[in-house]
Amino acid sequence: NFLLTQPHSVSEFPGRTVTISCTRSSGSIASNYVQWSQQRPGSAPTSVIYEDDQRPSGVPDRFSGSIDTSTNSASLTISGLKTEDEADYYCQSYDSGNRMVFGGGTKLTVL
Amino acid sequence: QMQLQESGPGLVKPSETLSVTCNVSGGSIDKYYWAWIRQSPGKGLEWIGYVYYNGVTNYNLSLRSRVTISVDTSKSHFSLRLKSASAADTAVYYCARDTGSHYDYWGRGILVTVSS
Repeated sequence: NFLLTQPHSVSEFPGRTVTISCTRSSGSIASNYVQWSQQRPGSAPTSVIYEDDQRPSGVPDRFSGSIDTSTNSASLTISGLKTEDEADYYCQSYDSGNRMVFGGGTKLTVL
Repeated sequence: QMQLQESGPGLVKPSETLSVTCNVSGGSIDKYYWAWIRQSPGKGLEWIGYVYYNGVTNYNLSLRSRVTISVDTSKSHFSLRLKSASAADTAVYYCARDTGSHYDYWGRGILVTVSS
């Protein structure tokens, strides 16, 4: 199986752009779609990106996703940061046995 | 609007079986995967497993020996059973609908504490 490694925390000012990385330890990042979930304090997670770069209905286009095979990583980019974006963000991907693997999560602080 | 709601005992004694049910309303349970995810206090998300509407299951390898997930389409709910519970199983347990590409609906979660 593989691990998904995320930075423990990131911070940025309102209005700026932040990128959160998710690095796959083995196997190609392109082998299985990557999803991103947002979890605000005290709430259940919600999906913000699926299939590497798709936004669910209702998610603002300030959120975008991508993968980079050269670094074997996925990225979540949030532009025009708002205080409401302050949350924990998790990347996740299925393994070859169709079992979900979660990254450790990244705490985003909007300064 | 689809809604998922977890229910079950909030307190389980060590060595007993932890049981949680997810009631699905506002839509059909058919043709989807239904997942359980947990989050220990202050920790990240851990995938437990899923059940397909036809009863096919898939489990986290580290929990496989203790976990059973089942579905009852007539009652529009699915359930998690985790036997031989210990303090390490204390967590918020979430249910979610898995479209195959993402979890589009989540329950609010239920805190289950394992303690004597």
